[in-house]
This record gives sequence, C-alpha cells and structure tokens, in this order.
Amino acid sequence: GNSVTQMEGPVTLSEEAFLTINCTYTATGYPSLFWYVQYPGEGLQLLLKATKADDKGSNKGFEATYRKETTSFHLEKGSVQVSDSAVYFCALSIASGTYKYIFGTGTRLKVLA
Amino acid sequence: DAGITQSPRHKVTETGTPVTLRCHQTENHRYMYWYRQDPGHGLRLIHYSYGVKDTDKGEVSDGYSVSRSKTEDFLLTLESATSSQTSVYFCATWDPTRDSTETQYFGPGTRLLVL
Repeated sequence: GNSVTQMEGPVTLSEEAFLTINCTYTATGYPSLFWYVQYPGEGLQLLLKATKADDKGSNKGFEATYRKETTSFHLEKGSVQVSDSAVYFCALSIASGTYKYIFGTGTRLKVLA
Repeated sequence: DAGITQSPRHKVTETGTPVTLRCHQTENHRYMYWYRQDPGHGLRLIHYSYGVKDTDKGEVSDGYSVSRSKTEDFLLTLESATSSQTSVYFCATWDPTRDSTETQYFGPGTRLLVL
C-alpha cells in the first residue's frame, strides 16, 4: 500500500540553524510529492512540490528533492527564522483516478530567537 | 488560493446530536475533499467528491456522510456525533483542468468538540 513516514517532532532550533525534516514514502506507481505547512490556527498551505524523480521543489528558501532510489523527499532550509515555526506535512498523491493524498503525521518545528 | 470557506469555524455539540459542516468554494474546482486532523495521525481522508452528486469514501468514513448538490458546496454530516469525532476538519479542493500536479487547496478548518 501507499504510505508516508515523517520524522517525529517536535524539532527545536535556534534562529539561522540548518533544518532537515525527513520524509520517506512507499508507493505503487509514480507519485507526486508535496510539502505543506500549517501555521498556528490556520489551514494547510502548499510549500513546495515535485512530480517526478530528481525534480527539486523550492519555495521561501525551503528545498526538497524527489529521490526515487531512496524513496525520500526530505525538506531542507539553510537558515531558519522564528517565522518558520509551524507544522510541516509531507504528502503523496498517485494519479490513479481518485487523486487522493496520503499524509505523513506532521512535524512541528519551533525556532527560537 | 481557491477561495475556500468553511462554516462554522468552531462548534461545540453533545454526543448523539447530528452535525453538518459546510465547505464552500468559489473557483469551480471539480474535486473536493474532507479530512480530519488528529495528533499523531496527520490528516486522514473522510470522503471526497469528484463531481456533483459523485462521492466516495476515504479511509475513515464510518459515522460520516457527505452530499454535493452544487459544484461549490460540499457538506459533511456526522449522523450522531461521538466524542471520538472531536477533531479539526479541513476541506480541500482541486481541479485537473487547472493543475495537472494534483495540488490541493485547503480551507481554514472547523474545530469540533463533542461533549
């Protein structure tokens, strides 16, 4: 079956530290991969996406590369800010006709000034 | 931004009562989804719709029903609310003619407490 595994949080970093949030997946077929971000009290917003192997998604200083060989889509940012404090969700979608997402459990990031 | 609104934003209800949550979108997206968000589980799909009057179950559909009589509205009904349905509910939309990458757009959520 299809599944997404994210590293457990919370992750606490100092401002300007390097961020990695791990995400691995299991999928039949060729999924599209997404990172969504949820700020406190809000809905989910698309952060970045990649639709095929070796694609790199990027936005707001965040990056993730679709690695088919390791079935991974790790999220990275070189220098985090306090405003990056949020919950980050990794998700996959398979174009099987139903277009349903499978989400990871989410990773809470807290950035300290 | 797909212009998605959810109502109510917060609701407190008692066990055994019926509850209906509404999702409204202004972008004419074909697909609409209802998820619930719970600690340790991320988001789980309850039901989804692929067109007016076309709906199907997700992974956690027991105790929930949906209806879609217009493109813009997708209703989620808890037939007889239970405490295990206390959660935050999110609606999402997508349209394959606008975006082939299957990016879903999410509403602001409804926080439901069942006492």
